[in-house]
Amino acid sequence: GAVVSQHPSRVICKSGTSVKIECRSLDFQATTMFWYRQFPKQSLMLMATSNEGSKATYEQGVEKDKFLINHASLTLSTLTVTSAHPEDSSFYICSARRGSWHYGYTFGSGTRLTVV
Amino acid sequence: DQQVKQNSPSLSVQEGRISILNCDYTNSMFDYFLWYKKYPAEGPTFLISISSIKDKNEDGRFTVFLNKSAKHLSLHIVPSQPGDSAVYFCAASGEGGSEKLVFGKGTKLTVNP
Repeated sequence: GAVVSQHPSRVICKSGTSVKIECRSLDFQATTMFWYRQFPKQSLMLMATSNEGSKATYEQGVEKDKFLINHASLTLSTLTVTSAHPEDSSFYICSARRGSWHYGYTFGSGTRLTVV
Repeated sequence: DQQVKQNSPSLSVQEGRISILNCDYTNSMFDYFLWYKKYPAEGPTFLISISSIKDKNEDGRFTVFLNKSAKHLSLHIVPSQPGDSAVYFCAASGEGGSEKLVFGKGTKLTVNP
């Protein structure tokens, strides 16, 4: 089945530093990947749509200069949280869709970011 | 404005019985609905989906029912097993052909042995 690998699974960083999260589709090509954020006991909120070879599309209220997304190839998208602050601490998840709607979306295992 | 609502934050059932998880949506433009299962500190796992042209889709122990007029869908798990204990998210997509998923807040299901 479709596999999406996300790394790292957990990262702790100091306030003011930047953190890069990788999302790879291992056995399929994904022209579009999605980045979500989940706060405790809350829903998954879409942050941005990552498009291979072009700029990401950000949801309203998401700072594109803070959350840099790069989709350099058909199998890799990265999310960089720049100048991280404690309020950026959250669970970040990527997803990709393989084929038709019937496959649904495959999610990565998520990254727990803690900014201290 | 929450377009996808799961009004029950938690549900507890006995092993072997039926689990029914409910989801309501407000946007009539959604044309595709999905259910995901999620364990803590993991990404969601796709369970089952249904397009708006159907009213039922079944896959093993999992059945999703869609009532478009009521803007309501439900996930039935029969028989429920302890391993089904997780948070279940309802998601909707398709507005204007968009691939974006809109998620509900989830329902935590506990299946007691």
